[in-house]
Amino acid sequence: NAGVTQTPKFRILKIGQSMTLQCTQDMNHNYMYWYRQDPGMGLKLIYYSVGAGITDKGEVPNGYNVSRSTTEDFPLRLELAAPSQTSVYFCASTERRAGNTIYFGEGSWLTVV
Amino acid sequence: RKEVEQDPGPFNVPEGATVAFNCTYSNSASQSFFWYRQDCRKEPKLLMSVYSSGNEDGRFTAQLNRASQYISLLIRDSKLSDSATYLCATHNAGNMLTFGGGTRLMVKP
Repeated sequence: NAGVTQTPKFRILKIGQSMTLQCTQDMNHNYMYWYRQDPGMGLKLIYYSVGAGITDKGEVPNGYNVSRSTTEDFPLRLELAAPSQTSVYFCASTERRAGNTIYFGEGSWLTVV
Repeated sequence: RKEVEQDPGPFNVPEGATVAFNCTYSNSASQSFFWYRQDCRKEPKLLMSVYSSGNEDGRFTAQLNRASQYISLLIRDSKLSDSATYLCATHNAGNMLTFGGGTRLMVKP
């Protein structure tokens, strides 16, 4: 029962480097989300997708990009890492209908130095 | 104004106490409502969905007030293990799932 899998779990990046956070789910969910959570704060939506080939911006999309070429995968790309992107990143997925349970990955801890 | 707002707390309560959290939302088109529990350095986990008629699950009771646009969570007979951060969330017709900032609960012996 894999559910939502995120990799890597921990990463340290230097300012200006790029990286991709991977997210995959095996539940055939159409909806997928990327959130960031700063220490002591709530979750802020970065990007979301309602199906393969469809993505949309959330509350804090600047500095990030996403793609959704398959139902299973929803990678998050950081092009030019900045210290302000130091955070915990959570990927989540759910079935099509609103009200269904949202499943979260275990999180990716990213530090930009 | 934030779309979903919560009192960050912390709420410090003794074991056995009853504690209530409120959460207000600004988007009247919100369709679904949830309470999540988040332990330190862990992912949020669904505690309960919130229905218009109110719903109860053991010591936990959730209420929705659409007219005033808030949801509430009541925890009775608090346990040490209830110490966590409680996040409310709304799901709107545009498929965005928005979280509040969370309320931290500390249950003391």
